[in-house]
Amino acid sequence: GGIITQTPKFLIGQEGQKLTLKCQQNFNHDTMYWYRQDSGKGLRLIYYSITENDLQKGDLSEGYDASREKKSSFSLTVTSAQKNEMAVFLCASSIGTGGARYAEQFFGPGTRLTVL
Amino acid sequence: GDSVTQTEGPVTLSEGTSLTVNCSYETKQYPTLFWYVQYPGEGPQLLFKVPKANEKGSNRGFEATYNKEATSFHLQKASVQESDSAVYYCALDVSGGNYKPTFGKGTSLVVHP
Repeated sequence: GGIITQTPKFLIGQEGQKLTLKCQQNFNHDTMYWYRQDSGKGLRLIYYSITENDLQKGDLSEGYDASREKKSSFSLTVTSAQKNEMAVFLCASSIGTGGARYAEQFFGPGTRLTVL
Repeated sequence: GDSVTQTEGPVTLSEGTSLTVNCSYETKQYPTLFWYVQYPGEGPQLLFKVPKANEKGSNRGFEATYNKEATSFHLQKASVQESDSAVYYCALDVSGGNYKPTFGKGTSLVVHP
């Protein structure tokens, strides 16, 4: 088995601040994802990375940057935090090799962001 | 593009009653279908997946049948427990170069004792 670790667990920022969230996985998975979860809106894909040094924009990439420093880690930066923003950011990974029809995603516990 | 539509929540039930969460999907490809469950304070985790049409997936008393003709994958459980209270996500994946699963908006289930 493996695990996905997200740091920090809680993140409180100020309006306009640049904030970085980190994710580590020890599954040796190729593909990693960042999702934003807002109440009643499900999971929205921000960025994903098929392999080390690859970056792909999701549906909600504006206002975010991402970095896949190595196979096991994937960081997300909120470039300018919005006042009163509250959301949970979820990191996930999957085997992701082309044609892996059966590959599910494994999720971390999330980082809860509050912007004052 | 691909889409998944599921029962809008919250769904509130008493212990021992039956559950159905509807899930319909749209895609031009041949997907694998998933149900994920998310307990409070945790990330989603796989409940089960079904890669082939007309087959059934099951886990922890939950089950769903991949109905390609109706493009549906409804989640059912005969008798829910308070510990089933969670958010349930239906998802599809047509990986083979795509790498982008499509999730429904989630259905919150609250089970009262």
